[in-house]
Amino acid sequence: QVQLQESGPGLVKPSDTLSLTCAVSGYSISSSNWWGWIRQPPGKGLEWIGYIYYSGSIYYNPSLKSRVTMSVDTSKNQFSLKLSSVTAVDTAVYYCARLNIAVAPYFDYWGQGTLVTVSS
Amino acid sequence: DIQMTQSPSSLSASVGDRVTITCQASQDISNYLNWYQQKPGKAPKLLIYDASNLETGVPSRFSGSGSGTDFTFTISSLQPEDIATYYCQQYDNLLSLTFGGGTKVEIK
Repeated sequence: QVQLQESGPGLVKPSDTLSLTCAVSGYSISSSNWWGWIRQPPGKGLEWIGYIYYSGSIYYNPSLKSRVTMSVDTSKNQFSLKLSSVTAVDTAVYYCARLNIAVAPYFDYWGQGTLVTVSS
Repeated sequence: DIQMTQSPSSLSASVGDRVTITCQASQDISNYLNWYQQKPGKAPKLLIYDASNLETGVPSRFSGSGSGTDFTFTISSLQPEDIATYYCQQYDNLLSLTFGGGTKVEIK
């Protein structure tokens, strides 16, 4: 059973860097899939942030590209997200998910999500 | 970016009703569309991929159709457990995935 679990601070100050980690269990992160981040501001819709392949190939949402950094740690079977210069509009539930590309690209396994609030 | 426009943004229907949600893409995306269900406080769940393929384990009352720019998601007989928000998502451009704005389904 593939499981993903986000972790990181729930409160980040404006202008600081948001850092989250997604631990994957029940599946090797080095297998043929991409690993992504999606966020959802309170009461709003879903926004794709980016995804990363275990080898380090990365695609970022163009609207966030200048502030986003993603990385993968195959030894710990986890991947990470950093979002710099945060403001209140970055307050959201952040989800990590597996992008399954075997048949069609879809997010088939998701973490439970973690709420990150940007506030002083 | 490819924009995805969902309608309606919310709807209220009775148990047993047929429910239809539409999703329109700002350009031709072939059949590169997924549908997700999100229940309150939970992560989204994949229901339909490639516009019309039912994910394993998803009840057959859910279905999807369409290609090009116009897509439809249908619940043939609404059940109480279907109360959720539904999102379409295009993957025609893997460099810029986009979701629709969502449709909140409630029981009348």
